[in-house]
Parts: sequence; C-alpha cells; structure tokens
Amino acid sequence: VRLEESGGGLIQPGESLRLSCAVSNFSVSLNSLAWVRQAPGRGLEWVSVLYSGGKTYYSDSVKGRFVISRDDLKNTLFLQMNDLRVEDTAMYFCATEDYDYFANWGQGTLVTVSS
Amino acid sequence: SYVLTQSPSVSVAPGETARFTCGGNKIGRKSVHWYQQKPGQSPLLVVYDDNDRPSGIPERISGSKSGDTATLSIARVEAGDEADYYCQVWDTATDHRVFGGGTRLTVL
Repeated sequence: VRLEESGGGLIQPGESLRLSCAVSNFSVSLNSLAWVRQAPGRGLEWVSVLYSGGKTYYSDSVKGRFVISRDDLKNTLFLQMNDLRVEDTAMYFCATEDYDYFANWGQGTLVTVSS
Repeated sequence: SYVLTQSPSVSVAPGETARFTCGGNKIGRKSVHWYQQKPGQSPLLVVYDDNDRPSGIPERISGSKSGDTATLSIARVEAGDEADYYCQVWDTATDHRVFGGGTRLTVL
C-alpha cells in the first residue's frame, strides 16, 4: 500500500486549499481513509474520516470548514480546506483505516497558513 | 470529548525496558492502538487492538491494558527506538478518533 499526499503550500488566512492523497494497491472505494495532522513540534491530531459507504466525520476544530472526499476512478482521497486559520498550519498525513486504527500512512504534505 | 493522557517523556538505558502509559476514562472498554514516530518520519503502527503486532514489528514491543491504563512496553531498548510514541482509540460516542499527546523516548 502506498499513499502520496500533495497540494500543501504557503497560504494566507481565510483562503482555501485542496490536498490530494493518491493511493496505490488499496481501493479507496472499498475502505475507510482518514486525514491526520501534526502542527510543528506538536502531537498527532485526527482531522477527518471517510467511510467506504460515504459517511464522513470531522474533528470539532475543522468541522464546517474542511470537506473530505474521494475519486474512486482516480483512487484518490481529498481534503478541501476552507477559511484556513494560522492554527491549521501542520503536516497533513493521509492514512488507511483498518476498522479503527491507521495501518498505512503517507509521507505528509505541509500546509503553512501565514500572512 | 474523550481524552487520552500520556506522560511527556521516558528515559531508559540501552537494554532496559521502556514503558509508556496511556490513560483514559473506561479505556478498558476500548481497543487501544500505538504508533511510533521517529524524527522527520510518518507514524508507524506498532501495536493494534491492545496487544497485537503488525507484521514486521519485533516481539520485544508489546501492549497491555489494566483498568483505565494501557501500556506499551519495549524490551531490550536500542538507540534506534528513540522516537515519539502515541496511543489512539476510537471514541464511539462521537465517531472521532483520538490520539494521546505522545511520549518521547530518550535512550540514555
């Protein structure tokens, strides 16, 4: 299983950004996938999960601003991030979820929100 | 929201056993998972469902649980074990996944 995130960068507060996670050897349509982030020098923070059936859940800190989705044909997971805040600055990892734990992780993509 | 509590740091000499604790309300009713994260790397699952190891994880890494505390143990610690260790559970009440704050292992 391979996961490769992309789409990170430097962005100003209030703007939007879409992260992608290209997945190999693992069907995004048949499994659950998640986003986890890590602010510089801080611990891991769960962000969102997308179940195979399409149901989604979000952490309280991003609910209403972030949207998780997937493209089954491209076997890719996305995270649309709107109204970004300085506190959203972090490395964003995508991960496969096996029931309720994260079995495989990507290398991460860095999002920096700063004016 | 559900909270997992981990000690910030653990220091052990090479060859000793390192123990990382993870506390949470009624954690005994939840499956606890553990991740190792070395500097500059992605997290790596080292224990799932309290005490199962993914393939490739050495037997000297083990998990246990008693009461409201889960424990990750690393026997015969090596310099290469220096990393941050995180516990994680699924809060079924909210369907949120929750990580502990992490414990940094220093090998003396």
